[in-house]
Amino acid sequence: GAVVSQHPSWVICKSGTSVKIECRSLDFQATTMFWYRQFPKQSLMLMATSNEGSKATYEQGVEKDKFLINHASLTLSTLTVTSAHPEDSSFYICSARDQGLPIQYFGAGTRLSVL
Amino acid sequence: GDSVTQMEGPVTLSEEAFLTINCTYTATGYPSLFWYVQYPGEGLQLLLKATKADDKGSNKGFEATYRKETTSFHLEKGSVQVSDSAVYFCALSHNNNDMRFGAGTRLTVKP
Repeated sequence: GAVVSQHPSWVICKSGTSVKIECRSLDFQATTMFWYRQFPKQSLMLMATSNEGSKATYEQGVEKDKFLINHASLTLSTLTVTSAHPEDSSFYICSARDQGLPIQYFGAGTRLSVL
Repeated sequence: GDSVTQMEGPVTLSEEAFLTINCTYTATGYPSLFWYVQYPGEGLQLLLKATKADDKGSNKGFEATYRKETTSFHLEKGSVQVSDSAVYFCALSHNNNDMRFGAGTRLTVKP
């Protein structure tokens, strides 16, 4: 089946630094990728929808300047958490939609801990 | 807007017990319905799906039927195993553009 690779799986950073998370579709082309955030023991909350070659669409309440999303190719989207603070600590999960297919494939997630 | 409501957990069962996790939804039109499973420290894996009313999705012994009349998509398994312990998410999507998840139900299966 289709594979989505997310890297890194776990990152610890100091407050004020920026962290980049990569999401790659390994064996299919993804025109659309999605970024979610999951708090402990809670469900996934959609942060933004990323379309290849265009600006991401952010959900209400998500800061565009804080969570920078780039989708430069059909197989790669990146999420950069800028000037991270402890409250940004969370589990971030990406998903990718195979072109023309009504299925999203999820990455394994990235656990971000901001000290 | 669209939403998904799942039964609250946690659910604890003995091995070989029957499992039901209730899921109901509110949506316009005819969304596709999904069940995802999340094992500890991992992302979500698609367990099964149904794209239209009366469709039954099935995988690894799990089943769920798309019931338009009751707006439900309950997950069932006849005999659970310890390895089924995970968090299960019900979700809906229109054309897979925007997926809405339920709160998740944590299942623990004891030997």
